[in-house]
Amino acid sequence: ETGVTQSPTHLIKTRGQQVTLRCSSQSGHNTVSWYQQALGQGPQFIFQYYREEENGRGNFPPRFSGLQFPNYSSELNVNALELDDSALYLCASSLDPGTNTEAFFGQGTRLTVV
Amino acid sequence: GNSVTQMEGPVTLSEEAFLTINCTYTATGYPSLFWYVQYPGEGLQLLLKATKADDKGSNKGFEATYRKETTSFHLEKGSVQVSDSAVYFCALGDNYGQNFVFGPGTRLSVLP
Repeated sequence: ETGVTQSPTHLIKTRGQQVTLRCSSQSGHNTVSWYQQALGQGPQFIFQYYREEENGRGNFPPRFSGLQFPNYSSELNVNALELDDSALYLCASSLDPGTNTEAFFGQGTRLTVV
Repeated sequence: GNSVTQMEGPVTLSEEAFLTINCTYTATGYPSLFWYVQYPGEGLQLLLKATKADDKGSNKGFEATYRKETTSFHLEKGSVQVSDSAVYFCALGDNYGQNFVFGPGTRLSVLP
């Protein structure tokens, strides 16, 4: 059991709507990263938060935004949803930034945009 | 930029067969290399890793050796079990960065 929990597990939204996904990091971890995993593909890095600040961003448009709270939990917000946003969204928490620190992944939120 | 290529799946094997899943990478600098596994309905779990050239990562009977000369990190297991059925992702991590670059994944099915 990794201790990283994501909610909700499944979600259906209509094109153009907005969505918020949530992630509770493992106890003691101050870094949360978000990934998008389209069907049949590997996860792609969206962004990372470290101590409440954005600490790097992948090739995603500004309508993908995030937050990290003082307890290090995090939200991923997506505005103006498009059909191609349908994917599994994974969050990963780690003790510190950098991939030499082991990252623990949650089970993901399956988002379907119709 | 950094990228990871994996052998196409799905891979179907009989129990106790030998497994190889090929992985090659393109990267600047000296990345760490990882294998993650995703069981049905679950998130990713770290299987093994290697942080420098010639390192061998191993876990649960799986092994992979970091080969800088061939830019490869092939996953092997001598005798697979039905419980190894999952999707396997090769990934690299820039030691100076903050994110993983994943390959497309290889689905393994092991038949009894």
